[in-house]
Amino acid sequence: AQSVTQLDSHVSVSEGTPVLLRCNYSSSYSPSLFWYVQHPNKGLQLLLKYTSAATLVKGINGFEAEFKKSETSFHLTKPSAHMSDAAEYFCVVSDWQGGGADGLTFGKGTHLIIQP
Amino acid sequence: DVKVTQSSRYLVKRTGEKVFLECVQDMDHENMFWYRQDPGLGLRLIYFSYDVKMKEKGDIPEGYSVSREKKERFSLILESASTNQTSMYLCASSPMAGGTEAFFGQGTRLTVV
Repeated sequence: AQSVTQLDSHVSVSEGTPVLLRCNYSSSYSPSLFWYVQHPNKGLQLLLKYTSAATLVKGINGFEAEFKKSETSFHLTKPSAHMSDAAEYFCVVSDWQGGGADGLTFGKGTHLIIQP
Repeated sequence: DVKVTQSSRYLVKRTGEKVFLECVQDMDHENMFWYRQDPGLGLRLIYFSYDVKMKEKGDIPEGYSVSREKKERFSLILESASTNQTSMYLCASSPMAGGTEAFFGQGTRLTVV
């Protein structure tokens, strides 16, 4: 079984300051982990993914995330927030060794607010 | 670019109607998924399919059925729509069983009145 916990439902930062969105996971096997972004009334877009290669993963739009197995975390960061980053962010785990095409397990999302 | 296309962005239906939500992907992916998204509940898996004519129940299949007659198309069916099925519906596809990212359509916002 796998699960994902996004520790903050809302995060508010000022434009130009760092962003930290926190995600913890549990998985019985070696997971693949993803961050998606969703702008209002749009579908989900992949930001970045971890699939057992480098633990520091760089994504689009200046985002990156670090896989920490000892802490079972996969936090998303960005050095300097931009107004266009305001959106909903989802942390997702896929445990492919669990067997079966059982899809992805989503966190409940973090709403990122950027203050001007 | 990978493309997952949902037939409608917005849909309004009456209680008791039979509703079809269509999804087409052009990447020859084996897996396709239907999710619903509600405030505070995140995304929940309704059904998925890993091959033509194959389907598996997700976490909340009650009140829904699906059809996959062709590899590129995955339909979600509400046999008798109810107001508690008012939601955002998202279709996704992926190329293999787990471990790879899913590609999402733009979503269908369904309102049942």
